[in-house]
Amino acid sequence: GQQLNQSPQSMFIQEGEDVSMNCTSSSIFNTWLWYKQDPGEGPVLLIALYKAGELTSNGRLTAQFGITRKDSFLNISASIPSDVGIYFCAGPPNSNSGYALNFGKGTSLLVTP
Amino acid sequence: DTGVSQDPRHKITKRGQNVTFRCDPISEHNRLYWYRQTLGQGPEFLTYFQNEAQLEKSRLLSDRFSAERPKGSFSTLEIQRTEQGDSAMYLCASSSPWGRQETQYFGPGTRLLVL
Repeated sequence: GQQLNQSPQSMFIQEGEDVSMNCTSSSIFNTWLWYKQDPGEGPVLLIALYKAGELTSNGRLTAQFGITRKDSFLNISASIPSDVGIYFCAGPPNSNSGYALNFGKGTSLLVTP
Repeated sequence: DTGVSQDPRHKITKRGQNVTFRCDPISEHNRLYWYRQTLGQGPEFLTYFQNEAQLEKSRLLSDRFSAERPKGSFSTLEIQRTEQGDSAMYLCASSSPWGRQETQYFGPGTRLLVL
């Protein structure tokens, strides 16, 4: 499937700092999903974006669907230790009629107290 | 709504053995998906069902893999003659017919280790 490129690959920050990560694709996506995965667990849905330009918040998390439909970013404000985990972007490519999701390789976040 | 559940959570097997995993989707979710995730990678799509019909399979799903969803509720994924390369986390997800079908909710996964 089409590749989703996530950056940065990893981040090591102090508690209280804001975090920004992004996801880009060479093809158009109609939906962007952001998931968080803890070690040994399945991904948990954080935010879903369905419209180009859409900006959606979920508590301290904010995500935006890029105007070109080829990118999305996720911001976390005032990070806390429980934000530690791997953050994945995902979406069904425009050409995919079955809603099978393509995932990026993830951004690993470490937060020190 | 108890979320997607998967059983077992962990499985260790010897090469050449068959294994079967079960997934129970969120109740009333008509679509059920299987993904595989290896270390350092995001999940990769294997197959999905709408009700009891298997509608799509990826090229990752070799002929040693078979999935069923006989009554349109729970699903099983069987791997025959396991190989060491099958070691991975197997994830199940489901989506609602009344929401956006691409918005998928994942279970906790079954971690398979083939020795």
